[in-house]
Amino acid sequence: DAGVIQSPRHEVTEMGQEVTLRCKPISGHNSLFWYRQTMMRGLELLIYFNNNVPIDDSGMPEDRFSAKMPNASFSTLKIQPSEPRDSAVYFCASRSQGVGEKLFFGSGTQLSVL
Amino acid sequence: AQSVTQLGSHVSVSEGALVLLRCNYSSSVPPYLFWYVQYPNQGLQLLLKYTSAATLVKGINGFEAEFKKSETSFHLTKPSAHMSDAAEYFCAGGAGNTPLVFGKGTRLSVIA
Repeated sequence: DAGVIQSPRHEVTEMGQEVTLRCKPISGHNSLFWYRQTMMRGLELLIYFNNNVPIDDSGMPEDRFSAKMPNASFSTLKIQPSEPRDSAVYFCASRSQGVGEKLFFGSGTQLSVL
Repeated sequence: AQSVTQLGSHVSVSEGALVLLRCNYSSSVPPYLFWYVQYPNQGLQLLLKYTSAATLVKGINGFEAEFKKSETSFHLTKPSAHMSDAAEYFCAGGAGNTPLVFGKGTRLSVIA
């Protein structure tokens, strides 16, 4: 298996632009998570899905952030409009749905908003 | 509610010395606990996992961790540090089918 695949690896954009981050989870995994990592806040859970359904989006910082999972093999995280404080590394992770299952992470998207 | 606390944001050891990274958890139910490692510009990789089968858990790269319920701890150790162990280490915990909660991470530096 190729693991969790994220794209792009790096994104540089200007303030006010729309940014879309993409994730392909491991085949057969039915839980998907979006995390954001910064020096100040560490690793924060933004939102997670079970069987393509959003379960908890309380970690999404603002209405500018939205996430979708149209099918079991694809998810997007969108920021519109982007701001410099959104600069961070965004990770997607997936796991099988079950007690104590381990989480597999993608390589992340390094987002810089100028 | 589950929470995880890592003591020390930065640990520095000499090559060949013992590595000890501390993690304490709080949970109202028996937890599932994990240690992940993150190398520069990479995602997190699983080092080891505790799920109540055994209190001493062995992981990859010579790391191990011991679950101590009386101390609510799950410290990560390695007898002899190698230069390649330099990375960020994260302790994480969960209960049931809830998302993992991660500690803030400990950066390990290994000095030659």
